[in-house]
Amino acid sequence: EAQVTQNPRYLITVTGKKLTVTCSQNMNHEYMSWYRQDPGLGLRQIYYSMNVEVTDKGDVPEGYKVSRKEKRNFPLILESPSPNQTSLYFCASSRGGVYNEQFFGPGTRLTVL
Amino acid sequence: AQKVTQAQTEISVVEKEDVTLDCVYETRDTTYYLFWYKQPPSGELVFLIRRNSFDEQNEISGRYSWNFQKSTSSFNFTITASQVVDSAVYFCALSRGSRLTFGEGTQLTVNP
Repeated sequence: EAQVTQNPRYLITVTGKKLTVTCSQNMNHEYMSWYRQDPGLGLRQIYYSMNVEVTDKGDVPEGYKVSRKEKRNFPLILESPSPNQTSLYFCASSRGGVYNEQFFGPGTRLTVL
Repeated sequence: AQKVTQAQTEISVVEKEDVTLDCVYETRDTTYYLFWYKQPPSGELVFLIRRNSFDEQNEISGRYSWNFQKSTSSFNFTITASQVVDSAVYFCALSRGSRLTFGEGTQLTVNP
């Protein structure tokens, strides 16, 4: 089954404790990206990757890191989480870039205390 | 600035009513794509439609239709004869370069 998976689905952590949210897709898509969803703000793009070893900032990259060492994986790293990073996070992938349909993961709800 | 505005934060209708969700965008690009996504209460994001900037033809898919007007920078979405299962948050999105910009979303509630 073609899908994007994210882990964990739910996470409660404390300020400053490094964490990684994993994202994996099995569709051989070149483009992957991370979004955060907050009430009243819609989805905002954090980082994106056009292909392996090619990543770039989206609209809200502060406090986040990413890497793309393999085509299928695109982990999101919070080196020192803060309460304002409490949000619902979505990973997405697509063939060729933003001009095509994005396939979204199920979301990760993160709470930073 | 490139921006997507969905001015309707919440809409509530009774089943079988028609409802239109507005989307207005700003862009300096001549080539761009517009999208609609649906987020039902279960939380996943579901692709509904893609339209490129050179194709202003309206599109109909069952009870769904989309009206793209470059002159007013709008890409509105109409649901005909709404059903309870249409209750969801609907997002409009605009491609810009290698990025994707979403609107704030419209929460649609269809009451029986």
